[in-house]
Formats: sequence, structure tokens, C-alpha cells
Amino acid sequence: NAGVMQNPRHLVRRRGQEARLRCSPMKGHSHVYWYRQLPEEGLKFMVYLQKENIIDESGMPKERFSAEFPKEGPSILRIQQVVRGDSAAYFCASSPGTSGAQETQYFGPGTRLLVL
Amino acid sequence: SQQGEEDPQALSIQEGENATMNCSYKTSINNLQWYRQNSGRGLVHLILIRSNEREKHSGRLRVTLDTSKKSSSLLITASRAADTASYFCATETSGSRLTFGEGTQLTVNP
Repeated sequence: NAGVMQNPRHLVRRRGQEARLRCSPMKGHSHVYWYRQLPEEGLKFMVYLQKENIIDESGMPKERFSAEFPKEGPSILRIQQVVRGDSAAYFCASSPGTSGAQETQYFGPGTRLLVL
Repeated sequence: SQQGEEDPQALSIQEGENATMNCSYKTSINNLQWYRQNSGRGLVHLILIRSNEREKHSGRLRVTLDTSKKSSSLLITASRAADTASYFCATETSGSRLTFGEGTQLTVNP
């Protein structure tokens, strides 16, 4: 049973380009979460999605960032017109979504974005 | 200060010793979870303790939760060099989002 998959593992972009980060949840999981981790810091919540629905995007910057979790395929975190401050590790987590709250979230290996 | 603060920020011990890390938080929670992160890697879930639980064990790990003091501790007994990692507490309040602390960097010297 594969865990949470993220790709790419490392992504280098120049300022102004777009970054697309992908996350495939664990098999059978319908809830996806995105977190961002700056160097030497803890993870900060960005967005919580279920299939075709954004449940909580209170941690997402208002501009340039968007996320989706389509009916088919991986969840995508999209950052438009990247700036140096977007350089961070972006982690995706998933949970089954079958038992309401208090489910363990299983994390992927992360995508490390470097903006030059 | 923020929800989920760990202390100490860094801890260095010898193999075989016990390691204790603490976490404090500010708001009411549904549960508190501890995660481990090796350098440059993803997070590994260690243990979840619900707000109505006081203590939980998993192998060499022991977690306590004191909701009156809004604090939790993670004890790793008989530490090994392979336990070297950053340890984060995360609280779940509502809506399933987790709020992480800044982490404790544990170094276990062989």
C-alpha cells in the first residue's frame, strides 16, 4: 500500500514562473491537506480539500496560490508568478475521511521549491 | 506566541538516556499529535492522544496530556542514535486542520 506520493521532490523556478506541485493521497483516502514549511520552522496549514471541494483555505495566501483536488487524478497546489519568499518545503497529507474529525494525517515526502 | 510550542528547542543526550520534550498550546483541542521529521524528509506520525485521554504508550514512546495546563509531553525511553530527528507536536482544534509547533531538535550521541 503506497503512502502519500508527491512530485516533483525538488523544483527550481525563476521569479515570475509558475510552480505546480502534485499530491496523490494514500489509496482510499479522500481528504487532502497542504502545509508549508519554511527553513528551521514548523509546518503551517494552507488548505484542506475533499474531492472537488475546498473545505478550508484559510491558510492560503490570497493571491497567486490555488489548490484543487479533482474527481480523478492528484491534488494540485499551484503557485503563479513565484517570488523568492515562496521557497519552502510543501507537504501534502491525506486522511481517510471516513470517521469524521480526529483522523491521523499521513504525510508525503514533500516538494522542496527553490525560487531563484 | 503560537499554538503548539515545543521546548526545549534543542536537546542533546547520550544513547540509552531518556529524552523528554514538552508542548504547550493555547486553545481547546480535539486531540494532540506528535510527529517526527528526519532532516530533509517528510513527517512520520508517532502518536495521537485525544483530549479525554491523559496518557498513551507506543513502544518506547510515552505521551501525556494535561488539558488543564494545556500541555503535553513526549518521552522517548532508552534513546538510540536513530532517534535523532526533529519532533513536532500538532494540535487539532476543529475542521481537521493541524497547527504545528516549531519543533524540538533531538540529537542522540552514540
